[in-house]
Amino acid sequence: RKEVEQDPGPFNVPEGATVAFNCTYSNSASQSFFWYRQDCRKEPKLLMSVYSSGNEDGRFTAQLNRASQYISLLIRDSKLSDSATYLCVVIPVNYGQNFVFGPGTRLSVLP
Amino acid sequence: EAGVAQSPRYKIIEKRQSVAFWCNPISGHATLYWYQQILGQGPKLLIQFQNNGVVDDSQLPKDRFSAERLKGVDSTLKIQPAKLEDSAVYLCASSIRPYEQYFGPGTRLTVT
Repeated sequence: RKEVEQDPGPFNVPEGATVAFNCTYSNSASQSFFWYRQDCRKEPKLLMSVYSSGNEDGRFTAQLNRASQYISLLIRDSKLSDSATYLCVVIPVNYGQNFVFGPGTRLSVLP
Repeated sequence: EAGVAQSPRYKIIEKRQSVAFWCNPISGHATLYWYQQILGQGPKLLIQFQNNGVVDDSQLPKDRFSAERLKGVDSTLKIQPAKLEDSAVYLCASSIRPYEQYFGPGTRLTVT
């Protein structure tokens, strides 16, 4: 089993739709979780951290379920500019500060 | 604030040739990372430096890959000799806080 797995995608949704991505991780002792966004042929950029209590940033909501070892990202009212690959990042406890990236889920928001 | 700089942006070489990539992190960032991102996959950490010391190089294929960070600022990553499976984007990142990494634009390597 891979350390971090994500919905394979791609997701093609119309503007204004709500879309959710899931990410599962294998190391139950993992401590920190993030969502990064990567535009085509660009570098990854931090979208948001994922807190145990869940957190929201505008149209984006991140949730963590430690018991089931998954995190999710919900995007409401999708915009064309949301089209990108969304990377799940986990920091396993025995990896120090090192990131383990998932393979990413590609989202295309269609007009 | 200037971001992470990398060069070259693109490189095409034949297998068994050598290649080197350069990275200049954000000023003041003590930690520097090199990642390999193969098409369709997430970035995979190759090596992490703290100042000019190696913190983690467990996933670096040391038979062909090497990296250094002299003087704790710029870094170079070298592949010698290259294989077809080394075709990827090589990303450099730097951080001042553990959980906040800033990535450079990457070097896209094609090995033919």
